[in-house]
Amino acid sequence: GEDVEQSLFLSVREGDSSVINCTYTDSSSTYLYWYKQEPGAGLQLLTYIFSNMDMKQDQRLTVLLNKKDKHLSLRIADTQTGDSAIYFCAESSSNTGKLIFGQGTTLQVKP
Amino acid sequence: GAVVSQHPSRVICKSGTSVKIECRSLDFQATTMFWYRQFPKQSLMLMATSNEGSKATYEQGVEKDKFLINHASLTLSTLTVTSAHPEDSSFYICSALGHLNTEAFFGQGTRLTVV
Repeated sequence: GEDVEQSLFLSVREGDSSVINCTYTDSSSTYLYWYKQEPGAGLQLLTYIFSNMDMKQDQRLTVLLNKKDKHLSLRIADTQTGDSAIYFCAESSSNTGKLIFGQGTTLQVKP
Repeated sequence: GAVVSQHPSRVICKSGTSVKIECRSLDFQATTMFWYRQFPKQSLMLMATSNEGSKATYEQGVEKDKFLINHASLTLSTLTVTSAHPEDSSFYICSALGHLNTEAFFGQGTRLTVV
């Protein structure tokens, strides 16, 4: 079945860039998403990219998609302490809205 | 983005009782909603897909008689955990599919603790 993998932990210093990586197996993925989850809270959609795109930028966030390698990354520029959270990548196919999530990457931002 | 409201945010119940969790799309109509379960420090696992006016589609391994889903209107889906046991304690999150079918908006989640 479909699988989405992420590294579990990333630690950066405030002001540095953070890069969170994700790999997926479903070659029919239509959309790929990045969600942010703060402790005890639901998921906040950060951004998503359509599978025929290579890159999408939204303020401090840059998403890169390498469809050949099935690799997705999220770059957060000028990382702030408020960015500390768990970041999930997810993929969906066929416009079903059904999402397959990675395990989540805990981002720790040190002052 | 669109708003999905989930209620309650926390609930503690006794073993053997039932608990109902509501998921509402506040500013849009959602024909499809999803229910996920998240164990501590783990990812979200899809439990079922809820379609307005029809029976929910459950993922493999999810007991449909234990996790009752009702999607009676375009803005409300409910998940009822019946005869709850401590192993049902978890974080339950719903999402609603936006009208373009490209974005799924999530509720705040419900922390269920069965004692």
